[in-house]
Amino acid sequence: EVQLVESGGGLIQPGRSLRLSCVVSGFTFDDYAMHWVRQPPGKGLEWVSGISSNSRSIGYADSVTGRFTISRNNAKNSLYLQMNSLRTEDTALYYCAKASGSHRDKLEDWGLGTLVIVSS
Amino acid sequence: AIRMTQSPSSLSASTGDRVTITCRASQGISNYLAWYQQKPGKAPKVLIYAASTLQSGVPSRFSGSGSGTDFTLTISWLQSEDFATYYCHQYYSYPETFGQGTKVEIK
Repeated sequence: EVQLVESGGGLIQPGRSLRLSCVVSGFTFDDYAMHWVRQPPGKGLEWVSGISSNSRSIGYADSVTGRFTISRNNAKNSLYLQMNSLRTEDTALYYCAKASGSHRDKLEDWGLGTLVIVSS
Repeated sequence: AIRMTQSPSSLSASTGDRVTITCRASQGISNYLAWYQQKPGKAPKVLIYAASTLQSGVPSRFSGSGSGTDFTLTISWLQSEDFATYYCHQYYSYPETFGQGTKVEIK
């Protein structure tokens, strides 16, 4: 069974940094691209960032470029999102999602999310 | 970034109705489009990928069509469990983007 478990969310002040993690199981992690998708409370989905299976292709939403960094450790079956210079508008539930291929593809499996609240 | 515009943003329908949701891309994306269903408090679930391919396990009353810039999700016979919010998603190029969502409510 595919499982994705996010962690690292919490209440954080504007301007500070936070690192999200996603630990996966049930599939061969280094065969698949991975993504972060967020959803502000009561609002729609926003794609945040994606990374190919071999980490050679990485993309970011315009709203987080220069502030967020995605990475993965295939030996640890883990995906990360380093979030710097956080803003109140970054408040959201952050989902980790597995693509169905090694590069850009449908998002086939999702975690339950970790909530990030940016507030003073 | 490619902008994905969904319409309508919400609709009211009855069980048994045929429902159509459209998604327009600001530039051509071939068939690199997926549709997701999300229910309150739950993660999204993929319904359709490659614009028209039904995800395994999804009921056949769901169908997708389109290519290039204009896409459609159709629910042919709305069931009670289909009341949810639906999103389109382009994975043609980075940054990937979602439509703003269409909430399907009970009339």
